[in-house]
Amino acid sequence: GESVGLHLPTLSVQEGDNSIINCAYSNSASDYFIWYKQESGKGPQFIIDIRSNMDKRQGQRVTVLLNKTVKHLSLQIAATQPGDSAVYFCAETGGATNKLIFGTGTLLAVQP
Amino acid sequence: SAVISQKPSRDICQRGTSLTIQCQVDSQVTMMFWYRQQPGQSLTLIATANQGSEATYESGFVIDKFPISRPNLTFSTLTVSNMSPEDSSIYLCSVDPSTDTQYFGPGTRLTVL
Repeated sequence: GESVGLHLPTLSVQEGDNSIINCAYSNSASDYFIWYKQESGKGPQFIIDIRSNMDKRQGQRVTVLLNKTVKHLSLQIAATQPGDSAVYFCAETGGATNKLIFGTGTLLAVQP
Repeated sequence: SAVISQKPSRDICQRGTSLTIQCQVDSQVTMMFWYRQQPGQSLTLIATANQGSEATYESGFVIDKFPISRPNLTFSTLTVSNMSPEDSSIYLCSVDPSTDTQYFGPGTRLTVL
């Protein structure tokens, strides 16, 4: 399949290490945030979300941290596996509409 | 979540022609959206497909170029009209089943020659 990471920042990690992907969001009124994973040739897949009344949320091997003071979002992946290799997008929404605004994306490359 | 399918999955088209992309959801949803993802780029919202009324387009996208239909709560189409090579992109539909979370289809990969 084709790559969607041709012009994206890249994070390269060793298999088994922890990964941290960062995202700066734009709208201080945003109150809901989502991380998506997009593998080559596929559509974005929901990973985890967080609302603005929380600063941390954990899933299976993933944790999302929200710092509203500096408008920063991060995705932590524990014990990164080759199957985690993909482009990761953060998205924000809030206000009267539920339009999603996507970040630029980060390509995660897991080295065996 | 919802199961979303798109047809075609990919196509190669000649400039000046039009292509209609279909999006089918396995359950009734209020909100459906169409996005464009240019090569190596993030997702950009084209429009919100409204059931029973005209779609709501984002800045930079117009109905004449991207007509959208939404005949019921499980189906929508996006047409890319009078195509040029600049329209080569992945076109994605998404749905929001009233949870604020959007779920995406697999995408349609369009190449215009």
